[in-house]
Amino acid sequence: DAGVIQSPRHEVTEMGQEVTLRCKPISGHDYLFWYRQTMMRGLELLIYFNNNVPIDDSGMPEDRFSAKMPNASFSTLKIQPSEPRDSAVYFCASSLGRQPQHFGDGTRLSIL
Amino acid sequence: GENVEQHPSTLSVQEGDSAVIKCTYSDSASNYFPWYKQELGKRPQLIIDIRSNVGEKKDQRIAVTLNKTAKHFSLHITETQPEDSAVYFCAASTPTPRGTSYDKVIFGPGTSLSVIP
Repeated sequence: DAGVIQSPRHEVTEMGQEVTLRCKPISGHDYLFWYRQTMMRGLELLIYFNNNVPIDDSGMPEDRFSAKMPNASFSTLKIQPSEPRDSAVYFCASSLGRQPQHFGDGTRLSIL
Repeated sequence: GENVEQHPSTLSVQEGDSAVIKCTYSDSASNYFPWYKQELGKRPQLIIDIRSNVGEKKDQRIAVTLNKTAKHFSLHITETQPEDSAVYFCAASTPTPRGTSYDKVIFGPGTSLSVIP
């Protein structure tokens, strides 16, 4: 089992640029979650999908954030335009039905 | 909605001593309580979990206890080792309305544990 795979591992970009984070969940898992982790706010759930359908996006901070899951093996989180306060570690996680969630290694995003 | 508090925020112990991290939750409907360990620069990893029909669960040097009446649960690590140094997150999972199979998980703010050799 390869686990949850995220790319890129690190991203540094300038304010105003579009950022796309990618996630491949564990094969067979039917839930996919996007989290943001900062020192100030801890682990925040941004959005989650069930069978590729977005279920709850109430954690998405602003309209600048969007997420898609075109198929069972791929999801993206996009920020456009990016701002310095978006700097954080973004984790993707997946699960089969109810708990537990398995996390990817995260993307460390720095917006200059 | 559910709120999870965690104490202490930082904890230092001597190698070989025990460490205890405590969490409280607000929603009495919460029925699943996982604990995650996150080493520096790494992803959170599940280390132990407990369901509301069980009062205690143990896995080698790690144990978790749950008091449903008081709405608190604790992580106990015995015979601590330097490799136990990490941030530990508790979480509470609340069932969502009938028709969904996902229980919303709320994470605590984390406890940074340092084990001093």
